[in-house]
Amino acid sequence: DVKVTQSSRYLVKRTGEKVFLECVQDMDHENMFWYRQDPGLGLRLIYFSYDVKMKEKGDIPEGYSVSREKKERFSLILESASTNQTSMYLCASGTSYEQYFGPGTRLTVT
Amino acid sequence: AQSVSQHNHHVILSEAASLELGCNYSYGGTVNLFWYVQYPGQHLQLLLKYFSGDPLVKGIKGFEAEFIKSKFSFNLRKPSVQWSDTAEYFCAAFGNDYKLSFGAGTTVTVRA
Repeated sequence: DVKVTQSSRYLVKRTGEKVFLECVQDMDHENMFWYRQDPGLGLRLIYFSYDVKMKEKGDIPEGYSVSREKKERFSLILESASTNQTSMYLCASGTSYEQYFGPGTRLTVT
Repeated sequence: AQSVSQHNHHVILSEAASLELGCNYSYGGTVNLFWYVQYPGQHLQLLLKYFSGDPLVKGIKGFEAEFIKSKFSFNLRKPSVQWSDTAEYFCAAFGNDYKLSFGAGTTVTVRA
């Protein structure tokens, strides 16, 4: 079974903290994605990567950065967390034909 | 820019009713299309997908979707819903730009 794992299910951080969300996949997929999911807004693409060290902005990259040093790992970084970044964060990996999602990290910024 | 739109925000049905959820995408090139479902408290999971060939694709749990290229649409259907189909449904498109874009989702509530 394909596994996409995320480092935390729940996270509470303070405003201004630097936050790292980690995602690891075990299927040697080239493409990896970070989304945030908010009620009524669906999944919005933050960043994606189609190769190691490659990154592309999605639809809402402001306030976020990413890192992909190894094929299996894709990290999302909030340089200075703000309350409007409270959300569910989903990581996915896959090909153009199949994508797999992690369980999500519910981040609360207070 | 590539985008996906879903027509309905919330649909309420009775059991045994038929379901159709609309999805349109705006992308001129080759695109692969997907429907995902998220049951309450669970991960996103794939319902069905279209790459090429027969425009009517069948997925899990009795769902099907029809790709109509001229209308840039990929609507999801189920002839007779069950209470267990209560979930949020997302349409998604993957294009040559490597982006996987989602619609805003449709919440489906099936009343027993």
